[in-house]
Amino acid sequence: GQQLNQSPQSMFIQEGEDVSMNCTSSSIFNTWLWYKQEPGEGPVLLIALYKAGELTSNGRLTAQFGITRKDSFLNISASIPSDVGIYFCAGQSRNFNKFYFGSGTKLNVKP
Amino acid sequence: AAGVIQSPRHLIKEKRETATLKCYPIPRHDTVYWYQQGPGQDPQFLISFYEKMQSDKGSIPDRFSAQQFSDYHSELNMSSLELGDSALYFCASYRGTDTGELFFGEGSRLTVL
Repeated sequence: GQQLNQSPQSMFIQEGEDVSMNCTSSSIFNTWLWYKQEPGEGPVLLIALYKAGELTSNGRLTAQFGITRKDSFLNISASIPSDVGIYFCAGQSRNFNKFYFGSGTKLNVKP
Repeated sequence: AAGVIQSPRHLIKEKRETATLKCYPIPRHDTVYWYQQGPGQDPQFLISFYEKMQSDKGSIPDRFSAQQFSDYHSELNMSSLELGDSALYFCASYRGTDTGELFFGEGSRLTVL
């Protein structure tokens, strides 16, 4: 099946630092989604991207849909302890009926 | 706003027993996906339904079956449970004719003893 390569796998940062993570694929996607998951909870949708080149913000979060439609990144600015969690990217296939997930980036923020 | 509702939230079963998980999608969402997430892993796709028909199948064991009903809710039936079936099971819903947003429920944690 299609693979999404998400990096980094984990990050340990100091409160206040900026964070960047990305996903790449060998396939073109119609939509890129970014989720945050906390332990024992369902993934919560943070940002949805629909067009190549699109840059979208949600508070301190900014995500971009790559020009080639094969990649996306998520930036978190001025991190705070409640940003701790696992961030997943997901790409929606071109025929709309399937979503593929990255393996997640585990973010740890030290106060 | 209404979200994806899953029940039960927690379930404990013995080996070889049967379990049923339920999912109620967001209103007007016609597509349901089931995922299994083991500890420290990303969600693994099991099966999906669009307009009450199975639309795709992933790594779902033969011991598992699922269906989507006329009101669009879905049930995942798991039989002959094994220890390795212990996981978080997520349902996600989506409006099948649109690009975009897949919303997850809070999950059902299955523990097999």
